[in-house]
Amino acid sequence: GAVVSQHPSWVICKSGTSVKIECRSLDFQATTMFWYRQFPKQSLMLMATSNEGSKATYEQGVEKDKFLINHASLTLSTLTVTSAHPEDSSFYICSAITVGGTGGLFNQPQHFGDGTRLSIL
Amino acid sequence: EDQVTQSPEALRLQEGESSSLNCSYTVSGLRGLFWYRQDPGKGPEFLFTLYSAGEEKEKERLKATLTKKESFLHITAPKPEDSATYLCAVQGISCGGSNYKLTFGKGTLLTVNP
Repeated sequence: GAVVSQHPSWVICKSGTSVKIECRSLDFQATTMFWYRQFPKQSLMLMATSNEGSKATYEQGVEKDKFLINHASLTLSTLTVTSAHPEDSSFYICSAITVGGTGGLFNQPQHFGDGTRLSIL
Repeated sequence: EDQVTQSPEALRLQEGESSSLNCSYTVSGLRGLFWYRQDPGKGPEFLFTLYSAGEEKEKERLKATLTKKESFLHITAPKPEDSATYLCAVQGISCGGSNYKLTFGKGTLLTVNP
């Protein structure tokens, strides 16, 4: 159980285009999903927290107009990198938490997808 | 532009003779690879979706596998009722365009003789 599916696993696009990444919870409902970015040899950095039906909360330094997040249902969140440039090339990974856990938001385990390797030429 | 090439174009097997169909693809990024079966005069019938290299799915006598460049549809001990055209399609990443477009191969016409 608690499977998170992320697609695509990799994508190569030209500079200036937009790319959408999907994150799905396959066997549970996720009220909250998280989007991370990881640069080579660096740890996962939280970009934003996405709550179903409401606007995402972005971390400091993350451009909300560049990284559009939509969490339209309890099983799907999308991250759109708009007008992508080579500096946006990175490993993007999502995670999700289950609904109805016994702990609070910060006590529930996050279940991660397998990540998306984005390369902007 | 996404491209899909299926081979062979046609395949004749004897009942019980296992074989594989190939689907080679080129995409800038893969959202999913789909296998369909199509009988004459009918629309494609969905068989499998594969999302990631290394993934495998099975259904009765059919097994689909996926690598970063190709997919195989393995048919084990086929029966005459498996005769059909098998289509492969990719849903690639469209840089700025539609995210839902499917690109189909031309298909493999499989005939299984009793």
